[in-house]
Amino acid sequence: AQTVTQSQPEMSVQEAETVTLSCTYDTSESDYYLFWYKQPPSRQMILVIRQEAYKQQNATENRFSVNFQKAAKSFSLKISDSQLGDAAMYFCAYRSVKTSYDKVIFGPGTSLSVIP
Amino acid sequence: DAGVTQSPTHLIKTRGQHVTLRCSPISGHKSVSWYQQVLGQGPQFIFQYYEKEERGRGNFPDRFSARQFPNYSSELNVNALLLGDSALYLCASRRGQQETQYFGPGTRLLVL
Repeated sequence: AQTVTQSQPEMSVQEAETVTLSCTYDTSESDYYLFWYKQPPSRQMILVIRQEAYKQQNATENRFSVNFQKAAKSFSLKISDSQLGDAAMYFCAYRSVKTSYDKVIFGPGTSLSVIP
Repeated sequence: DAGVTQSPTHLIKTRGQHVTLRCSPISGHKSVSWYQQVLGQGPQFIFQYYEKEERGRGNFPDRFSARQFPNYSSELNVNALLLGDSALYLCASRRGQQETQYFGPGTRLLVL
């Protein structure tokens, strides 16, 4: 069974600085999707970034970028120029391409605080 | 376009009762999935419905059931509520099999 691990329960960053959130996963499959979701106190789960495992190029979305290391099964999220609105729970998630249904496996989350 | 909507936003029930949660997907999205998020944890997959058929089920007891209607909205039903069912219940929709899910704001269920 696939698992997702986030070893940092809490992180903090100064406003305008850069922070990296860690994620590792375990799978025997070669093709899959990886995601980072953000969940602010309002509870709405928002997609931050998505990576297809067959793509070697790391995904980027504005200030958000990932470092995808397939062999190491590592998928970290870098947030540049941190803003107060980035404060939230961040979840790393995995989804198999093979399964016929849409089961996304989430990690336990990292709580990010942004210090003014 | 409106996002995924869920109702109610909050709900308080007592042990043994039954609850129905509702979800309306984004227009054009035919797939609806339900997740349970216990406080302090990541969401856990409960069900997926696609084109009104159950496509997958997570490791949840038979007290949990769901259905999808012709307009692709969905209901999650939980019977014989337990204290441990207290959680945020998230609904997510997507258009096609390889596309990204979009989540609703969730329903916070408290079982006393």
